[in-house]
Amino acid sequence: GAVVSQHPSWVICKSGTSVKIECRSLDFQATTMFWYRQFPKQSLMLMATSNEGSKATYEQGVEKDKFLINHASLTLSTLTVTSAHPEDSSFYICSARVRLSGGALGETQYFGPGTRLLVL
Amino acid sequence: RKEVEQDPGPFNVPEGATVAFNCTYSNSASQSFFWYRQDCRKEPKLLMSVYSSGNEDGRFTAQLNRASQYISLLIRDSKLSDSATYLCVVNLGNTDKLIFGTGTRLQVFP
Repeated sequence: GAVVSQHPSWVICKSGTSVKIECRSLDFQATTMFWYRQFPKQSLMLMATSNEGSKATYEQGVEKDKFLINHASLTLSTLTVTSAHPEDSSFYICSARVRLSGGALGETQYFGPGTRLLVL
Repeated sequence: RKEVEQDPGPFNVPEGATVAFNCTYSNSASQSFFWYRQDCRKEPKLLMSVYSSGNEDGRFTAQLNRASQYISLLIRDSKLSDSATYLCVVNLGNTDKLIFGTGTRLQVFP
């Protein structure tokens, strides 16, 4: 199946630091990627939908100036947590869906392995 | 009301047991339904899609009841390796977004 990678897998940083997380589709082109956040014992919450070559669509309550998303190529989307604070500590997961020949997105969503962020 | 609701568990069952998880969703326009499995500190992995006619994959059977907006997952002959959190996931038909339930924790013991 399709493979999605994330880098780094772990980040520990000081409060006020900006952290960039990369999400790559390794064997397919992902025109659309999704960024999720998961706090302990909670469900995955969609933060934003990242579209190649255009602005990301953010979910209600997610600050777009704090969580910068760039999807500059068909295989790479980045999430930058600007001026991270301890409350931003979480498990960040990206996913991608394969674009089918007719233009629709395939149903299966392929997840990256996630990035654990700990802000001290 | 949450968009997707699940009993968080945990469900503690012995090996070989049959266990069933339930899930309800609030948006009647939902069109696609899935069960994902998530191991501790890992990403979710698709277990199976759920269809109105019901579908089975080995020891796993999923059912969908659109009228009641209810989804179920049945695991027969539980294995130790089935221990994980099972996430009920719904796709609203007019968007590409997946809505995740909080998950049901299963612990299979010897």
